[in-house]
Amino acid sequence: DAGVTQSPTHLIKTRGQQVTLRCSPKSGHDTVSWYQQALGQGPQFIFQYYEEEERQRGNFPDRFSGHQFPNYSSELNVNALLLGDSALYLCASSFQNRDRMNTEAFFGQGTRLTVV
Amino acid sequence: LAKTTQPISMDSYEGQEVNITCSHNNIATNDYITWYQQFPSQGPRFIIQGYKTKVTNEVASLFIPADRKSSTLSLPRVSLSDTAVYYCLVVNQTGANNLFFGTGTRLTVIP
Repeated sequence: DAGVTQSPTHLIKTRGQQVTLRCSPKSGHDTVSWYQQALGQGPQFIFQYYEEEERQRGNFPDRFSGHQFPNYSSELNVNALLLGDSALYLCASSFQNRDRMNTEAFFGQGTRLTVV
Repeated sequence: LAKTTQPISMDSYEGQEVNITCSHNNIATNDYITWYQQFPSQGPRFIIQGYKTKVTNEVASLFIPADRKSSTLSLPRVSLSDTAVYYCLVVNQTGANNLFFGTGTRLTVIP
């Protein structure tokens, strides 16, 4: 059973460019969340997708957008990249039952984005 | 979201028991206490979760007093491979359950 998989593992982009990161959730999971982790800091919540809709959003600008597909996989898009967007981007998945209770979140290995 | 406070760093010798305490004074009734472990350049890994009293699994124990305003993660007989950052979180397990990570506790296990 594959866990959460993210691609690519590493990426270098130039300031002003756009980037798309991809995430496949753990089998059986329907909820995908994205986090940004700067060096030496804890992960910061970007947004969460459930039933193909953005359900909750953290304190990130509109340059950060996402999408969830019918197979529950997800993409994170960042436009107009800034040097400060350099970070480890983590995807986490979980499952919500009929009582709206969530399982613990499983994280992928992350995508290391470097903006130069 | 309830915030947590935990020590920035801890050192321990191999084979010792390590206890990391976390305070969460504003924990809500529906919140669970959850601990994650993170190695460099990897995603956080779930360790243990509890609501009250004591929870134990094959990796750790979690002690939660009756008022739930603090909790203690206990790692028995640590090894060098337990060197990592440990995050304490309080999580509402219903609906949108975004996780709020602080800076965590950096545990260094010394030979």
